[in-house]
Amino acid sequence: GQQLNQSPQSMFIQEGEDVSMNCTSSSIFNTWLWYKQDPGEGPVLLIALYKAGELTSNGRLTAQFGITRKDSFLNISASIPSDVGIYFCAGRRIGSQGNLIFGKGTKLSVKP
Amino acid sequence: DADVTQTPRNRITKTGKRIMLECSQTKGHDRMYWYRQDPGLGLRLIYYSFDVKDINKGEISDGYSVSRQAQAKFSLSLESAIPNQTALYFCATSDWTVQEETQYFGPGTRLLVL
Repeated sequence: GQQLNQSPQSMFIQEGEDVSMNCTSSSIFNTWLWYKQDPGEGPVLLIALYKAGELTSNGRLTAQFGITRKDSFLNISASIPSDVGIYFCAGRRIGSQGNLIFGKGTKLSVKP
Repeated sequence: DADVTQTPRNRITKTGKRIMLECSQTKGHDRMYWYRQDPGLGLRLIYYSFDVKDINKGEISDGYSVSRQAQAKFSLSLESAIPNQTALYFCATSDWTVQEETQYFGPGTRLLVL
């Protein structure tokens, strides 16, 4: 089945550094969602994007819906140890029944 | 209390056994989903239901069945479990009545098939 191309697969950063990850698709999407998953837990929604070009922030997190509607990025500024986890992008294709397609995740590790 | 709950949280079973994973939600959403998560593969859709009378196969439905007993309950069954069904299973819900539809996930069930 189709999956989004999410990169990087993993990141090892120092506390205080900024982080950037992105997802791309060959299809046009009308929705982009970014989730975070902590170990042993279900994914939790961080940011939802519904319009091309939309830029949305949630605290230190910022995400954008690409103008081409085929990509999205998530930035985390001034990372802290609790940012550790797996970040997933998810998108909904135009004309789909509403089902989401998920990226394979970006595993973030933060050194104190 | 959590909006989306899953039981059990952990389960160990043997090859060939039938098991059921249950999901309940208090969000009042019509749409419910079952996903499977394997390391490095992200989340893959097994089955989804848009209302009580609607059941649809997802990307990887072989070896699984579901039952939508009520708006708030959606269960996933493995009729004859096999080791490659060892994975983390997530239930999710969404509200189709809002234009900006988003899926909300349960805490997951970790299944080990020996």
